[in-house]
Amino acid sequence: AQKVTQAQTEISVVEKEDVTLDCVYETRDTTYYLFWYKQPPSGELVFLIRRNSFDEQNEISGRYSWNFQKSTSSFNFTITASQVVDSAVYFCALSDYTGTASKLTFGTGTRLQVTL
Amino acid sequence: ETGVTQSPTHLIKTRGQQVTLRCSSQSGHNTVSWYQQALGQGPQFIFQYYREEENGRGNFPPRFSGLQFPNYSSELNVNALELDDSALYLCASSLEQAIGGTEAFFGQGTRLTVV
Repeated sequence: AQKVTQAQTEISVVEKEDVTLDCVYETRDTTYYLFWYKQPPSGELVFLIRRNSFDEQNEISGRYSWNFQKSTSSFNFTITASQVVDSAVYFCALSDYTGTASKLTFGTGTRLQVTL
Repeated sequence: ETGVTQSPTHLIKTRGQQVTLRCSSQSGHNTVSWYQQALGQGPQFIFQYYREEENGRGNFPPRFSGLQFPNYSSELNVNALELDDSALYLCASSLEQAIGGTEAFFGQGTRLTVV
């Protein structure tokens, strides 16, 4: 069965600090996709990134970067020079293709609080 | 903004009642999924609709049902409401049914409270 673990329940940092959110996943599929979503207080899940299981290249997008390591089944997310607007709950998710439907299995989320 | 809209934004119902939640997909998207997010938890997959047919379901009882219309808008119906049904219900639309890597766009959700 698919499983996503986000061991960090809540992280508090001061603005401009770097912060890394951890994600560990379990799957028996050889082809799969991993996602990160941000959920601000408004409730909407905002898509941040998608990676497929064949592409282990790390990626940087502005202040965001992602480290995908198949050997450890991890897909960690780093925010550089954090800002107050980064405060939100961040979810890691794994895509599960059942043959007829595609669903996301989410972790329990990490609440990031950035203060001045 | 994703273009996925849900209504209502908030709802209070009494245990045993029935509720209908609505979702308008992003233009051009033919697949809609519904998720339940309990407080402090990650979203849980309820079911998915593709071209008006349910094509996948999570671990939810039959009293959770849905519809997708020809314009790809969707409804989630819950009968015989229980207190544990209190949650944020999220709708997500995507372009294809079964491409695992397809990005799903989420609405802002409907906060359902059952008393």
